[in-house]
Amino acid sequence: SQQGEEDPQALSIQEGENATMNCSYKTSINNLQWYRQNSGRGLVHLILIRSNEREKHSGRLRVTLDTSKKSSSLLITASRAADTASYFCATAGGATNKLIFGTGTLLAVQP
Amino acid sequence: DTEVTQTPKHLVMGMTNKKSLKCEQHMGHRAMYWYKQKAKKPPELMFVYSYEKLSINESVPSRFSPECPNSSLLNLHLHALQPEDSALYLCASSHHPHRVDNSPLHFGNGTRLTVT
Repeated sequence: SQQGEEDPQALSIQEGENATMNCSYKTSINNLQWYRQNSGRGLVHLILIRSNEREKHSGRLRVTLDTSKKSSSLLITASRAADTASYFCATAGGATNKLIFGTGTLLAVQP
Repeated sequence: DTEVTQTPKHLVMGMTNKKSLKCEQHMGHRAMYWYKQKAKKPPELMFVYSYEKLSINESVPSRFSPECPNSSLLNLHLHALQPEDSALYLCASSHHPHRVDNSPLHFGNGTRLTVT
């Protein structure tokens, strides 16, 4: 299966703390994307990192990519209660035109 | 609010019913997608339309029938569903049909389907 694995499956932190979630994937990729999903809602695209990039920032988000280890991490700094959501990495490996989502991390930020 | 609109938001149907899910986008995107999501699981790809033509069918049972009447609309026709088909059905669109990894998906908020 092309699906990525994410860890941890669930993460609970206090407001103001940093949250780190990891994604491992199986096939070679051109890009990797991260999405957020609030409970019962659609997914929202957060950031795209290309295979020739090692790190990318967007506001309080920091994404790293290690293609040699086939892994990526998403760091949310100074978390807020509004960051409570599920976070998914997504990849389209090889010649496929399918965006496949990882297993996801459920983040709970306690006020 | 999202730029991809799905209706209805909730749907309860019996196993003998026929119903349709609708999705609309006005961003000029030329790729549209149906995903199925069970509770506490990631979205699973069902169908991909590129330039209004079905390009990917992930071996979805024939009781699910997609339709793309034009570049802005995507339907999913449902017939003789099973209780295990109960899930959140998500529609998405993207700008570039042939580079899905380089073209972020825009999702609707989904239709919560319950099959009784």
